[in-house]
Amino acid sequence: GQQLNQSPQSMFIQEGEDVSMNCTSSSIFNTWLWYKQDPGEGPVLLIALYKAGELTSNGRLTAQFGITRKDSFLNISASIPSDVGIYFCAGQLEENTDKLIFGTGTRLQVFP
Amino acid sequence: GAGVSQTPSNKVTEKGKYVELRCDPISGHTALYWYRQSLGQGPEFLIYFQGTGAADDSGLPNDRFFAVRPEGSVSTLKIQRTERGDSAVYLCASSNPGLHYTFGSGTRLTVV
Repeated sequence: GQQLNQSPQSMFIQEGEDVSMNCTSSSIFNTWLWYKQDPGEGPVLLIALYKAGELTSNGRLTAQFGITRKDSFLNISASIPSDVGIYFCAGQLEENTDKLIFGTGTRLQVFP
Repeated sequence: GAGVSQTPSNKVTEKGKYVELRCDPISGHTALYWYRQSLGQGPEFLIYFQGTGAADDSGLPNDRFFAVRPEGSVSTLKIQRTERGDSAVYLCASSNPGLHYTFGSGTRLTVV
């Protein structure tokens, strides 16, 4: 099935460092979402973006909806150990469906 | 219930057998989604229900896969003649119009 290109595939950082990951697509999306998934759990929504160029923050998280509507990035500032997990971007292609296309994931490991 | 409940949490079956996976959505949510997540990948869309009807089943990989939601609440994903390639985590999510998904913890299916 179709998946978005997400990079990097994995990151190993020290506590306190900032993190950036991004997602690209060949298709235009109406909505971009960022999720975090912990082992044995389903994805949990972190941030939702609805308009091209939109920049949204949620605590230490900041995400942007690319101007071309084909990309998005997620930044995490001052990382802490509980940020460990897999981060997925997801996009909604059409306005009349709630079907999401997910990225391939970025695995984040934070060392104290 | 408070969240989306999926049972069983783990299922091991022999190749060729039939399996049923159950999803109890959040009470009152009209939309229900099934996704499949293979190891190291993001979730991939299978099917979406609005009420009792399947609004979009374009993600079902073949006719061995079928899902029902007879009373507009609980849904069952049915897989016939299971194959080793069906091994994955099957995620269910529910929502109401205008609200984002809440995912369950998934059913890990292993076909041996």
